[in-house]
Amino acid sequence: GIQVEQSPPDLILQEGANSTLRCNFSDSVNNLQWFHQNPWGQLINLFYIPSGTKQNGRLSATTVATERYSLLYISSSQTTDSGVYFCAVGERGGGSQGNLIFGKGTKLSVKP
Amino acid sequence: EPEVTQTPSHQVTQMGQEVILRCVPISNHLYFYWYRQILGQKVEFLVSFYNNEISEKSEIFDDQFSVERPDGSNFTLKIRSTKLEDSAMYFCASKGAYEQYFGPGTRLTVT
Repeated sequence: GIQVEQSPPDLILQEGANSTLRCNFSDSVNNLQWFHQNPWGQLINLFYIPSGTKQNGRLSATTVATERYSLLYISSSQTTDSGVYFCAVGERGGGSQGNLIFGKGTKLSVKP
Repeated sequence: EPEVTQTPSHQVTQMGQEVILRCVPISNHLYFYWYRQILGQKVEFLVSFYNNEISEKSEIFDDQFSVERPDGSNFTLKIRSTKLEDSAMYFCASKGAYEQYFGPGTRLTVT
């Protein structure tokens, strides 16, 4: 099956710093989503981005499907950005009903 | 804004007992999913459900697990005889046209 690799596994930032999180995937996808898991365990949708670029406030994401990677940018980080960021992909074809395959996540800690 | 809801938020059960986890997907969504996350690990797919039947399941979803949509709004996951290794956060998700939305999860603790 498709493999999803996220880097870095851990990231510590000072408040106000910028960061880039990376997601590599091993095969063609028809879905790619970025999630933020907050300290209470909730999975918050950030982006649905199987290709192209999107922005939402201080966050933006880019997926280059032909090169099988996606990037999540966080600018001017705040302590509330802390948590784990997951990339999840849906396999293209193969009879998949859209189930998502998650990476292991990037644990972000933003220090005041 | 519509959201996926799950009950209970936390369930403690003894090994060998049956548990039912409940979910109310977003009302106009047609695809439903269960995932689980063992503490500190990644989220893993269990099962997908469409048109009142299972459409796909993972190796984790063995005979101890079952899903049901008993009415027009609820979607349930039953674990027939819980094991210690079933302790995890269980997430329900639903999808309309494109992206999946996740509920807040049920933390299951098996003692």
